[in-house]
Amino acid sequence: EPEVTQTPSHQVTQMGQEVILRCVPISNHLYFYWYRQILGQKVEFLVSFYNNEISEKSEIFDDQFSVERPDGSNFTLKIRSTKLEDSAMYFCASSEDYLAYEQYFGPGTRLTVT
Amino acid sequence: AQKITQTQPGMFVQEKEAVTLDCTYDTSDPSYGLFWYKQPSSGEMIFLIYQGSYDQQNATEGRYSLNFQKARKSANLVISASQLGDSAMYFCAMRERNQAGTALIFGKGTTLSVSS
Repeated sequence: EPEVTQTPSHQVTQMGQEVILRCVPISNHLYFYWYRQILGQKVEFLVSFYNNEISEKSEIFDDQFSVERPDGSNFTLKIRSTKLEDSAMYFCASSEDYLAYEQYFGPGTRLTVT
Repeated sequence: AQKITQTQPGMFVQEKEAVTLDCTYDTSDPSYGLFWYKQPSSGEMIFLIYQGSYDQQNATEGRYSLNFQKARKSANLVISASQLGDSAMYFCAMRERNQAGTALIFGKGTTLSVSS
C-alpha cells in the first residue's frame, strides 16, 4: 500500500542552525501538508501546498519557515534559524485530489533543537 | 474559542467493551468535515473515520462509528468491542470549507487505555 515517507526520523540540531525536513508524498497525490506536534500537545497545522504554491498557512508558519517541491517526488520543510521552541514532531501529509477528504500522514520527523 | 474540544484527557475501558470518546466542535461554516485519528505510542497518525457535514447517515468503519449530532455540534467516536491494540491517543479534527488543501484543526486528544 502506498505511504508517505519522511526523512530523517530524528534530527538533532543546534539553535540557530538551518534544517530541512524531507517528505515523499504518495505519488499520485496533489495536495501536501506540514503539521507539527510539540511533545504531549495537539497536532497543529503549518502549511498546505498545491500546484507549486502555498494554498494555506497558519500563524506558526512565519518567515523562518519555507516549503518547496524541488522535484516530482519530494516535498521539503525548511526552518532557517531554529529555536528551542521548534522542537517537535513534524508530520507531512498528502491527499489525492480536490474531492478526497483523507489526509495520509507520514511517520513524522522528531526535531530536537539544543 | 476552541474549534475542537475533547474534554476527556483519559479514558479506561476493558477489552470487549464499547467506549465513546467525546468531541465537540465550533464552526459557522455550513460545509465542514470531521475526522478521527489514532496515534499509538509509536507516534504515527492513523486515519480512522470521516463524517461530512451534509452526510445524512453516521459514518461507520468496522468497529468505529461516529455519532454525529449536528445540532449539538458533537462528533463522538464509538469503538465497539475494544481490543488491547486500541490503546492510543485519539484526536478529533475538523476541516472547515471541507475542501482539499484546507487545514485540519485538531483537538487536544484523549488517551484511551484498554485493559484485559
